[in-house]
Amino acid sequence: DSGVTQTPKHLITATGQRVTLRCSPRSGDLSVYWYQQSLDQGLQFLIQYYNGEERAKGNILERFSAQQFPDLHSELNLSSLELGDSALYFCASSGDRGNYGYTFGSGTRLTVV
Amino acid sequence: GQSLEQPSEVTAVEGAIVQINCTYQTSGFYGLSWYQQHDGGAPTFLSYNALDGLEETGRFSSFLSRSDSYGYLLLQELQMKDSASYFCAVSEDKIIFGKGTRLHILP
Repeated sequence: DSGVTQTPKHLITATGQRVTLRCSPRSGDLSVYWYQQSLDQGLQFLIQYYNGEERAKGNILERFSAQQFPDLHSELNLSSLELGDSALYFCASSGDRGNYGYTFGSGTRLTVV
Repeated sequence: GQSLEQPSEVTAVEGAIVQINCTYQTSGFYGLSWYQQHDGGAPTFLSYNALDGLEETGRFSSFLSRSDSYGYLLLQELQMKDSASYFCAVSEDKIIFGKGTRLHILP
């Protein structure tokens, strides 16, 4: 157990639907990062939050949004889902700016049918 | 923009040594890190180099040359459990990952 908790582990939904992925960072970590990993692809950076504030943004689609709450847990919202959104979504956390290293959660596998 | 290049696949024999190279282009750079990911699993942090030189952690070592924008991960005394994908990643204000190198180990 890395200390980063992601729920749910698996999610199957239909095109056009909306889902919410949840992440609880490791105790004491202020930064949360979201990554998307498609089949045989690398980890694509989506967005970073630090202590409730958006800190950095990657190639996140407009249909996707995220937020970090006062208790530091984060949610990634994916809407108007398309088949191509099927992927593993990872959350990671770090204690500060995170340049040293991240701790990843076990991921949410999203399948859009 | 940023780019990282690493081989897509490497094959080695159990007990041998293997080196996985990584070259990068980035606008801002704090350091180079390496992560291991087994199939279906989460990436796990292996090492981080902020300065030039070699960092050793057990059977794994990582090297960085900032002037050459180049680094490598060295795995010694390979074991079957080392079969996984290995990602290099550059640290800017966030961490950008390469596409990964799948390491196959033959008995």
